[in-house]
Amino acid sequence: QVQLQESGPGLVKPSDTLSLTCAVSGYSISSNNWWGWIRQPPGKGLEWIGYIYHTGGTYYNPSLKSRVTMSVDTSKNQFSLKLSSVTAVDTAVYYCARKEFGYAFDFWGQGTLVTVPS
Amino acid sequence: QSALTQPRSVSGSPGQSVTISCTGTSSDVGSYNYVSWYQEHPGKAPKLMIYDVTKRPSGVPARFSGTKSGNTASLTISGLQAEDEADYYCCSYGGSGSYSVIFGGGTKLTVL
Repeated sequence: QVQLQESGPGLVKPSDTLSLTCAVSGYSISSNNWWGWIRQPPGKGLEWIGYIYHTGGTYYNPSLKSRVTMSVDTSKNQFSLKLSSVTAVDTAVYYCARKEFGYAFDFWGQGTLVTVPS
Repeated sequence: QSALTQPRSVSGSPGQSVTISCTGTSSDVGSYNYVSWYQEHPGKAPKLMIYDVTKRPSGVPARFSGTKSGNTASLTISGLQAEDEADYYCCSYGGSGSYSVIFGGGTKLTVL
């Protein structure tokens, strides 16, 4: 069974860089899948951040592209997200997920809340 | 790219059917069969219910079905059950060779 688990600081200061890691178990990250990040501000809807392939190829949400960097570590079977210059509007639950069936996300992590105080 | 448009809320009684719409544009929903639907219970991660407009992942009940007409996709839940009460989000390929993904604003389903 594919399992994903996000980890990282729950509190990030304004203007700092948010850094999260998603550990994948039960499945090789080097398989033919893209791996994504999605976030959800409290009480609001889902927002796609971007996704990465095991070779390092990436696609980012144009609205976040200037601040987002994703990377992958196949030796640890995990991938990571960095979001720079954060503000309070970046406060959200951050999910990692496996992209499958074209443009759907079939396995998700439990999510991790990251708070940026105003 | 703008978020896909969903009704804020829908409701139905147990056993009834409800349909949730998801309206995009001719550049995304209207041009590609890459619409997916997610069910989200409070405090839980979203769960994939429908992908590629009409397909159900293994384990999703046949009560859940998806369709598309023009720029609008729809999720229909028949034989409503109490556990279906949740938020539902649609999602589509953004089109224009962007490889992007856009979500709808979400719909709260209340089972009366």
